[in-house]
Amino acid sequence: DQQVKQNSPSLSVQEGRISILNCDYTNSMFDYFLWYKKYPAEGPTFLISISSIKDKNEDGRFTVFLNKSAKHLSLHIVPSQPGDSAVYFCAASVQGGSEKLVFGKGMKLTVNP
Amino acid sequence: GAVVSQHPSWVICKSGTSVKIECRSLDFQATTMFWYRQFPKQSLMLMATSNEGSKATYEQGVEKDKFLINHASLTLSTLTVTSAHPEDSSFYICSATTSPEETQYFGPGTRLLVL
Repeated sequence: DQQVKQNSPSLSVQEGRISILNCDYTNSMFDYFLWYKKYPAEGPTFLISISSIKDKNEDGRFTVFLNKSAKHLSLHIVPSQPGDSAVYFCAASVQGGSEKLVFGKGMKLTVNP
Repeated sequence: GAVVSQHPSWVICKSGTSVKIECRSLDFQATTMFWYRQFPKQSLMLMATSNEGSKATYEQGVEKDKFLINHASLTLSTLTVTSAHPEDSSFYICSATTSPEETQYFGPGTRLLVL
């Protein structure tokens, strides 16, 4: 049973537009959420996180929104740049992030020049 | 599809003992498997990349004699933490892929506690 779901395997957007990556989860005990970015042949790198006590966290061009009632979070990238083209993983944890991460299957973002 | 399992899910051992962690791709053939260690604040450190039938490629700073990796088949990779010490206590996560350029499928992780 997959606890963290990224239902769309890929997304293609134009440079300068907004990219919205979605993630759903089923475990109501999750209280800490993260997004990772991964380039081919490299390990994932941390991008942004959010605690369940917040509904929004912003870091430069990246904003993560959390809707606890819907068990849904999304990553917004504005404006999108070609260098953002990568695979993005959503991950979740319990106990404020002190427990092991549960990953989604990832979504491939392509930003076209 | 694309399920990766890890066994055991958690293990407690005494300092000085060795611990083996298995990573299996259940429904696909994984030519490449990755081993990560999860650090505080959830950062992931890539430890090594293992390709089926060949020696693992270790990241800088990872002791290959301490963290033995074997990728004997297209569905199984093992990580053995030799002579474990309390500082090795962590979550160890594997991922598998059909090729390094393709998306990775993460395992559920193994929690290691060394007393």
